[in-house]
Amino acid sequence: GAGVSQSPSNKVTEKGKDVELRCDPISGHTALYWYRQSLGQGLEFLIYFQGNSAPDKSGLPSDRFSAERTGGSVSTLTIQRTQQEDSAVYLCASSLDGGPNSPLHFGNGTRLTVT
Amino acid sequence: AQSVSQHNHHVILSEAASLELGCNYSYGGTVNLFWYVQYPGQHLQLLLKYFSGDPLVKGIKGFEAEFIKSKFSFNLRKPSVQWSDTAEYFCAVRGTGRRALTFGSGTRLQVQP
Repeated sequence: GAGVSQSPSNKVTEKGKDVELRCDPISGHTALYWYRQSLGQGLEFLIYFQGNSAPDKSGLPSDRFSAERTGGSVSTLTIQRTQQEDSAVYLCASSLDGGPNSPLHFGNGTRLTVT
Repeated sequence: AQSVSQHNHHVILSEAASLELGCNYSYGGTVNLFWYVQYPGQHLQLLLKYFSGDPLVKGIKGFEAEFIKSKFSFNLRKPSVQWSDTAEYFCAVRGTGRRALTFGSGTRLQVQP
C-alpha cells in the first residue's frame, strides 16, 4: 500500500531563498509530524499536527519556519530566507491517531542543501 | 523536557557477534520507549516498542530491548548479528502528555561479513 510520500526528494537552493517541502501522509492517518535530521544530530522534532487540534509548534527553530496541513491531509513545511544551517534531511511521518499504540510511518525525506 | 542519549555513535561488528546498543533517557514521568531502524537507502521503521508490562520487549528480526526504570535505560540487544543488520538505529522516547517522539542521535552499526 501507499506509504508517506515526500517531495521533492532533493532540493538545492541559494541562501536567502524560500523553499516549500511537501508531505502526503498515509490515507486515514490523523497525526502528522515533521522532523529534521542533520548529520550526527539525530532527529529533531519540528511540528506535530493532530486532527483539528492546534498544532504543536514547539520544535520550530525560528520564525522562518512554518507549516500548514490543509484538509487534514497534505502538509507543507515552508522555510523562508534559507540559511546554510538549514541544510538537512527533512522527514515527515504520520500515524493513525497519534496515540501510544500508533507507530510512526516515515517518508523517505527531502534532502535540502542551501548553498 | 525529555531527552535521549545514545552513547555509541558507530559500532563495527563481525557477523555472529553479539550486539548491545545503549540508550538512556531523561524524563520524570511515565514513558513509552521505541527503537527505530533505518537501513541504507530506506526510510525509518519501527523495530520494537515498550509501553508497559514485561520490561523485556521482543521485536522483529531477533532484536530485543530491556527497560530498566532505575537506570532510565532501554538498551537494544541481539545475540548474533548478521550482515543485513547494517543500519542506523535510533532510540526514542515519548512522555505522557508529550505527543511527539524525542529521538537520540542514532548509532550506526556496520556488520562485516
